[in-house]
Amino acid sequence: GESVGLHLPTLSVQEGDNSIINCAYSNSASDYFIWYKQESGKGPQFIIDIRSNMDKRQGQRVTVLLNKTVKHLSLQIAATQPGDSAVYFCASNIGNEKLTFGTGTRLTIIP
Amino acid sequence: ETGVTQTPRHLVMGMTNKKSLKCEQHLGHNAMYWYKQSAKKPLELMFVYSLEERVENNSVPSRFSPECPNSSHLFLHLHTLQPEDSALYLCASSQDLVVNGYTFGSGTRLTVV
Repeated sequence: GESVGLHLPTLSVQEGDNSIINCAYSNSASDYFIWYKQESGKGPQFIIDIRSNMDKRQGQRVTVLLNKTVKHLSLQIAATQPGDSAVYFCASNIGNEKLTFGTGTRLTIIP
Repeated sequence: ETGVTQTPRHLVMGMTNKKSLKCEQHLGHNAMYWYKQSAKKPLELMFVYSLEERVENNSVPSRFSPECPNSSHLFLHLHTLQPEDSALYLCASSQDLVVNGYTFGSGTRLTVV
């Protein structure tokens, strides 16, 4: 089966700095990866995804990097803002199977 | 608003009560899901429905009973719950079972006393 885990349960970053949230997965056959953001009192919200045929994908202020050699996924947020404070989850799946979620990293932006 | 609406937002119930959680999506999606979110644990998949048919039941106790009357609505009927069932219950939907990401509701925060 697949397991997904995050490296740090909490992360504090100064406002304006860049933040990096890491995630590891266990199954080398995983071929689709998603990052979700969950703000307090809300459900998880899609941020960005990447397929295993890519190693980098960029969105607005966010970049996802995929290292299949070490089965590692990271989410980079540029110029963090107070609104970036949330819990961030990675999730992955293999083919058409259901998503497997990590435990989440709570990101706190320090003003 | 994500397009997936869950009610109520908060629910406190006794162990002998019967209550229902409701989920509604207006995204035209064909698959709907119930997840349980507990502190410091990954999201736990409970039930999956595709075109109103239950396609997955992840060993969930019978005190949780799902219902999908149509592709836009999903219910979770609760009875004789235990305090350890207290959690955030999230509903999600996707276009179909071939996953390209789910859209989640805001959840129902359930407290069993």
